[in-house]
Amino acid sequence: SQQGEEDPQALSIQEGENATMNCSYKTSINNLQWYRQNSGRGLVHLILIRSNEREKHSGRLRVTLDTSKKSSSLLITASRAADTASYFCATDEGNFNKFYFGSGTKLNVKP
Amino acid sequence: KAGVTQTPRYLIKTRGQQVTLSCSPISGHRSVSWYQQTPGQGLQFLFEYFSETQRNKGNFPGRFSGRQFSNSRSEMNVSTLELGDSALYLCASSSGAGRETQYFGPGTRLLVL
Repeated sequence: SQQGEEDPQALSIQEGENATMNCSYKTSINNLQWYRQNSGRGLVHLILIRSNEREKHSGRLRVTLDTSKKSSSLLITASRAADTASYFCATDEGNFNKFYFGSGTKLNVKP
Repeated sequence: KAGVTQTPRYLIKTRGQQVTLSCSPISGHRSVSWYQQTPGQGLQFLFEYFSETQRNKGNFPGRFSGRQFSNSRSEMNVSTLELGDSALYLCASSSGAGRETQYFGPGTRLLVL
């Protein structure tokens, strides 16, 4: 069963705009991770946020975590055409290295 | 460091056959996890191996099995293939300390006819 669910399922924006994706999960977690996948390829790790953290930044990425609402958001600022990809959140359920992925948000950045 | 490698990259099999996929983790990583990705079910956890032992298991039938060798390389095997096994199979490696970043390989795309 899937632990995380992303919203929206698809997002289309213009280059330079910001993109926000949300992830909701069901049970308590140790950490939450965001990954990017380009068209049928392997996943690339973007950022990990631990359950005791509320916000984390990495370059143009900003991730927030609200454990009381069991939700996280990924913000990509000043998007580029190269950001076009599917984005997934992944959570654990207290198990070592057993991760549950959401259904993903497909982001299309138009040049 | 070299990344995670998976072989083969593409595979076509027929129903009833079996298949073995291989994954070589990043040097020094001791944990290898396997995932199945399909359009309908998304990314689903198959199992994780750490130090040659299966440490975690997902909800897949016994037709799906795996193993890990002393050099941390891992194989997964699917017996009696079904059409629904057509998927992208991804492996991910990590140091094994738990709850950490996983590094994914490019995947093996399996088509079952």
